[in-house]
Amino acid sequence: DAGITQSPRHKVTETGTPVTLRCHQTENHRYMYWYRQDPGHGLRLIHYSYGVKDTDKGEVSDGYSVSRSKTEDFLLTLESATSSQTSVYFCAINQLAGSGEQYFGPGTRLTVT
Amino acid sequence: AQKITQTQPGMFVQEKEAVTLDCTYDTSDPSYGLFWYKQPSSGEMIFLIYQGSYDQQNATEGRYSLNFQKARKSANLVISASQLGDSAMYFCAMREVNYGGSQGNLIFGKGTKLSVKP
Repeated sequence: DAGITQSPRHKVTETGTPVTLRCHQTENHRYMYWYRQDPGHGLRLIHYSYGVKDTDKGEVSDGYSVSRSKTEDFLLTLESATSSQTSVYFCAINQLAGSGEQYFGPGTRLTVT
Repeated sequence: AQKITQTQPGMFVQEKEAVTLDCTYDTSDPSYGLFWYKQPSSGEMIFLIYQGSYDQQNATEGRYSLNFQKARKSANLVISASQLGDSAMYFCAMREVNYGGSQGNLIFGKGTKLSVKP
C-alpha cells in the first residue's frame, strides 16, 4: 500500500465549471503524476511534479493545470471543464527503491455533462 | 510514433492454461525499463512485474514472467496456470531512463483485455 488517496472518487460537473481533483500521499514521495485513462488510449500523462512547486507538462496537458504546495498533495485543476475531459483520472507516485515502479491511487471518475 | 504497442485488444484463455500477452516497444534510449500492470474491473492499477534493459535474465514474479527479447524489442507477459481472477485489462509500459531520468514518467500501451473461461 503506497498510501495514495484521491478525492473525490466520483464527480459529475457541467461544461464550463472549474474542477479540482486532489491526490494525497503519506510517504513523502518526491515525484507525483497525473494520468487520464480513456478507452482505446491506455493511460496518458497530463502533468507531473518533481518537488514542491516544481511541475512540468505531460503528453495531454492542454486544459489542465496543477499545483503542489506541499509534498503530500498534488492538485489537478480543470479551469473550465469540457466534455472531452470526461475520463478516469489517476494519480501516481514513484517507488524510489527497486525498479522504481509507479504506484497508483484508486482513480477519480469525472463526468462533464 | 507509438512507443508501446499491444496488438491484442482482447484475448480468451481457458482456466489453468498459460497465456501470453504481447508487447512491443520502440526506443533509442539504451537504458529503459519495462513494466506490466493489471487493471481488474474494480479499476485499480496493480503493478505486476518489471524488466530492466540491462537485466540478463527474464523477470519472474510468481505466476507472471516476462519474456524479454531485446533484439526484437518485445516484452511479452506470460501468465501460467490462469485463474478466473486473472480476468482483467493488462497494460504494458516503458520508462526511458536517459530521456526521462530515473524518475521518468511511464508510457503506456492501450492494453489487452484478458478473459479467463472456466
